[in-house]
Amino acid sequence: QQQVKQSPQSLIVQKGGIPIINCAYENTAFDYFPWYQQFPGKGPALLIAIRPDVSEKKEGRFTISFNKSAKQFSLHIMDSQPGDSATYFCAAGFNYQLIWGAGTKLIIKP
Amino acid sequence: GAGVSQSPSNKVTEKGKDVELRCDPISGHTALYWYRQSLGQGLEFLIYFQGNSAPDKSGLPSDRFSAERTGGSVSTLTIQRTQQEDSAVYLCASSLLGADGYTFGSGTRLTVV
Repeated sequence: QQQVKQSPQSLIVQKGGIPIINCAYENTAFDYFPWYQQFPGKGPALLIAIRPDVSEKKEGRFTISFNKSAKQFSLHIMDSQPGDSATYFCAAGFNYQLIWGAGTKLIIKP
Repeated sequence: GAGVSQSPSNKVTEKGKDVELRCDPISGHTALYWYRQSLGQGLEFLIYFQGNSAPDKSGLPSDRFSAERTGGSVSTLTIQRTQQEDSAVYLCASSLLGADGYTFGSGTRLTVV
């Protein structure tokens, strides 16, 4: 019940395309859903986050879509660029704890 | 400081030796977390501190692993009698508001030879 399932494991998209990464959770107590971006040799950095009272949040080229009834949320990257190539982690949070997805390695081809 | 600082950035040690990894969180952040990340893998939770106490140490993989935090600030993760399977990047994160707002350091890459 504490798991967060993330897919796909890896993704290759042409520059300008819209990669979509999906996550699903089970525990309805989660109330915070962030996405983190990690470049090689660096720690993960918070990219964008959403709470369950909204269905969508947009920050620049990054959008989270949230479906509370389906217990799913996804990250969309508009007009993707080679510099967006990184590993992306979703997570679900409650109180002090974040439960992490397994990560998606995204490659944007020029 | 401006961010979470971890030292050393790289550590190579011989099997059986003890190692200490240090984390200096963002000033004022009361929550501190240690994670382990093996090559190309996800984040494995190790331990959570609130102030100087550790209400959740459920992720420590064995009794060779221990951590402490002093003065509500710096934390040290100690691995005794290191094994090759301990080789990984050890990440520290701190937070002011619990799950909302983790900031990670760049990690310590530990290699046990």
